[in-house]
Amino acid sequence: DIVMTQSPDSLAVSLGERATINCKSSQSVFYGSNNKNSLAWFQHKPGQPPRLLIYWASARGSGVPDRFSGSGSGTDFTLTISSLQAEDVAVYYCQQYYTTPYTFGQGTKLEIK
Amino acid sequence: QVQLVQSGAEVKKPGSSVKVSCKASRDTFNNYAFVWVRQAPGHGLEWVGGVIPIYRSAKYAQEFRGRVSITTDESAWTTYIEVRSLTYEDTAIYYCAREGAGILDQWGQGTLVTVSS
Repeated sequence: DIVMTQSPDSLAVSLGERATINCKSSQSVFYGSNNKNSLAWFQHKPGQPPRLLIYWASARGSGVPDRFSGSGSGTDFTLTISSLQAEDVAVYYCQQYYTTPYTFGQGTKLEIK
Repeated sequence: QVQLVQSGAEVKKPGSSVKVSCKASRDTFNNYAFVWVRQAPGHGLEWVGGVIPIYRSAKYAQEFRGRVSITTDESAWTTYIEVRSLTYEDTAIYYCAREGAGILDQWGQGTLVTVSS
């Protein structure tokens, strides 16, 4: 199985400041047939289902604000929130869909400083 | 608006079984795969398995093989997950999600399964 490791486990950022979450996969998730990385990011708030933020490492999901961006390739990826808003408090997960089982990172808890 | 509607919360005894449903629209059911993801209390998201309705073929994470079954009912546009031989560690919220090319873009509301004696 591909192991996904996120850092940090928790993060406190001031409103309006940048938040950065990292994700590392134990093997490359670059899919050569379409030149894309099979990597997604989810936002998960209590009492709600996870919400797809980013797919193919950098494409934004439907309705996702442009303050959310994804980058990286191969085994190293980053989720950036350019200007933190109060409603961004949540746990964030990366997930690879290169091969089954589709494994998730352990999650990063984002709070307001 | 895509909707995946899951069945209600369940309380089960250790050693018993539970079956959770996830109803989709006809178009979604016929054109996508479905996965099941669970979250135990205090833990992260865990991929349990998935199914492609038109092929009726399911895949499972290694730790769930033999104890979990993911099935579909084409006439009801519904997918199911059945977990047998329940233990306290199976207490979790179970989510279904729509999958296209690996991307989980729509999720059900979640079903809480509590294993308690």
